[in-house]
Amino acid sequence: AQTVTQSQPEMSVQEAETVTLSCTYDTSESDYYLFWYKQPPSRQMILVIRQEAYKQQNATENRFSVNFQKAAKSFSLKISDSQLGDAAMYFCAYRSGRYGGSQGNLIFGKGTKLSVKP
Amino acid sequence: SQTIHQWPATLVQPVGSPLSLECTVEGTSNPNLYWYRQAAGRGLQLLFYSVGIGQISSEVPQNLSASRPQDRQFILSSKKLLLSDSGFYLCAWTPRASAGGRRDTQYFGPGTRLTVL
Repeated sequence: AQTVTQSQPEMSVQEAETVTLSCTYDTSESDYYLFWYKQPPSRQMILVIRQEAYKQQNATENRFSVNFQKAAKSFSLKISDSQLGDAAMYFCAYRSGRYGGSQGNLIFGKGTKLSVKP
Repeated sequence: SQTIHQWPATLVQPVGSPLSLECTVEGTSNPNLYWYRQAAGRGLQLLFYSVGIGQISSEVPQNLSASRPQDRQFILSSKKLLLSDSGFYLCAWTPRASAGGRRDTQYFGPGTRLTVL
């Protein structure tokens, strides 16, 4: 079974600086997707970034980028120029590349709480 | 564009009372639908998912049930709530390939905060 591990329960960053959140996963599959979701105090889960495992190029979305290391099964999120609005829980998630039945289900890590200091 | 709604936003219920939470998706057809629960300070636990009307799969045995009476409506129910049912309930959807969009990506609703006293 696949697992997702976020080893940093809490992180802190100064406004305008850069922070990296770690995520590792375990799978025997070669085709899969990885995601980072943000959960602000409102608790709605917001998609931050998505990575397809067959793509070597790291995904980027404005100030958010990932470092995807497939061989190491590592998927870290880098937030550049941190803003106060980035303060939230961040969840890493894995999805199988297969379709049908439960294979479309997401497997989540336990989350990292990010604080941004002004 | 597609939107997902959850109702109600907040609910306080006594132990032993029934429950009905509703999730509706607009702007798409035949989506896959999911119910998650998040206890305070913890990660997400998948409760149910549905690939079509009347098709429900349960991931965790408990006193909750789910139904999908219409294509874009997903309901979470209980006949008798327990204290342990308190939490934040999130509904999510993924598009079908035929509807376009990224069918590998789940999009979440705003959630329902349930407190059982």
